[in-house]
Amino acid sequence: EAGVAQSPRYKIIEKRQSVAFWCNPISGHATLYWYQQILGQGPKLLIQFQNNGVVDDSQLPKDRFSAERLKGVDSTLKIQPAKLEDSAVYLCASSLRDLSSYNEQFFGPGTRLTVL
Amino acid sequence: DQQVKQNSPSLSVQEGRISILNCDYTNSMFDYFLWYKKYPAEGPTFLISISSIKDKNEDGRFTVFLNKSAKHLSLHIVPSQPGDSAVYFCAANALNLNSGYSTLTFGKGTMLLVSP
Repeated sequence: EAGVAQSPRYKIIEKRQSVAFWCNPISGHATLYWYQQILGQGPKLLIQFQNNGVVDDSQLPKDRFSAERLKGVDSTLKIQPAKLEDSAVYLCASSLRDLSSYNEQFFGPGTRLTVL
Repeated sequence: DQQVKQNSPSLSVQEGRISILNCDYTNSMFDYFLWYKKYPAEGPTFLISISSIKDKNEDGRFTVFLNKSAKHLSLHIVPSQPGDSAVYFCAANALNLNSGYSTLTFGKGTMLLVSP
């Protein structure tokens, strides 16, 4: 079974530029998550999708961050414009289903973003 | 407001000895607790979980203990091996009443180094 795929693995941009990350979850996984992991911290949930609908984006800085999962499969996360404090690893995860109970989340390798 | 706390940033253990990683939480609504293991440049991988109605779960060399009255859990690795050297994240699952879906809250992680 193929794991969660993410690209690019690394990205360096200057502040005020825009950047996009891509995630392809495990086949058949209905729930997709984007996390931000700042150095020395644990992953923080940014947005959660159930199929192609957003179920939680309460911690997404909506003035600069956006995400979509148009066909209920792969997803993109965009930052525009980027700030220095956005430097972090962006992790995508997926789980088989989420019907208000715990389901194991499988993580991709992450995209390390550096904003100069 | 950290709901999941891992107060030890690092732990060093000799090969063959026991490793004990600790985690404290504040939210009584957490219903599952999980440990994830993370190697550099990789995403976190699920290690072991425990339901809030249990006090112990064992899987090979890994055992998780839960003390609900103290809001404390620990991961025991016996015997420790050099390949166990990684960052270990404690995570807690709770139902998000706003979205109706469950979410994970992560601690900051503990870096375990097992020396030969």
